[in-house]
Amino acid sequence: QVQLQESGPGLVRPSETLSLTCTVSGGSISTYYWHWIRQPAGKGLEWIGRIYISGTTKYNPSVQSRVTMSVDTSKNQFSLKLSSATAADTAVYYCARSRGLAAAGSLDYWGPGTLVTVSP
Amino acid sequence: QSVLTQPPSASGTPGQRVTISCSGSSSNIGSNTVNWYQQFPGTAPKLLIYRNNQRPSGVPDRFSGSKSGTSASLAISGLQSEDEADYYCAAWDDSLNGPVFGGGTKLTVL
Repeated sequence: QVQLQESGPGLVRPSETLSLTCTVSGGSISTYYWHWIRQPAGKGLEWIGRIYISGTTKYNPSVQSRVTMSVDTSKNQFSLKLSSATAADTAVYYCARSRGLAAAGSLDYWGPGTLVTVSP
Repeated sequence: QSVLTQPPSASGTPGQRVTISCSGSSSNIGSNTVNWYQQFPGTAPKLLIYRNNQRPSGVPDRFSGSKSGTSASLAISGLQSEDEADYYCAAWDDSLNGPVFGGGTKLTVL
């Protein structure tokens, strides 16, 4: 059974970089697309971006200038960095998997989520 | 402001059939398949329906999905108290080259 687990600081100071890692267990990180999604408290879901094992990325324009994703196949992990954090970045951050894009882009496995608060 | 439009709330009594609508545009629902996610408070979303009307293993057949043009619907028949949750529609968006979501519908079982 594939499992995803997010990890990283729960508190980030404004203007600093939010950094999270997703560890994949129970399956290989290869041949899938890996995504980050966030959800502010009481609000809906926002796709942040995705990465493939080749390192190819695609980011949401809403955060594109501040986001970097990377993958470490040797550790079965992928990561998110969001620079110049503001209070608007406070949310539960989820990592998730899809088998492909478009019609194959359903997110079939999700991590439990981790709350990141941006506050002084 | 979510890209896909859902009603904020829906309700029904046990045993009833409830539908939740999802409206989009030609760049998402109109040209791609629709997925539905179920989310309980404090937990991650779970894939409920994919490719408009397909159920992952373990999802009861009480849940069904459909799509027509730039709109989609999730139907839940034989409503049960355990179905009380938030439901999100999603579709690939060709402009974004990524998934877009609805704002979510909170389903209450009366």
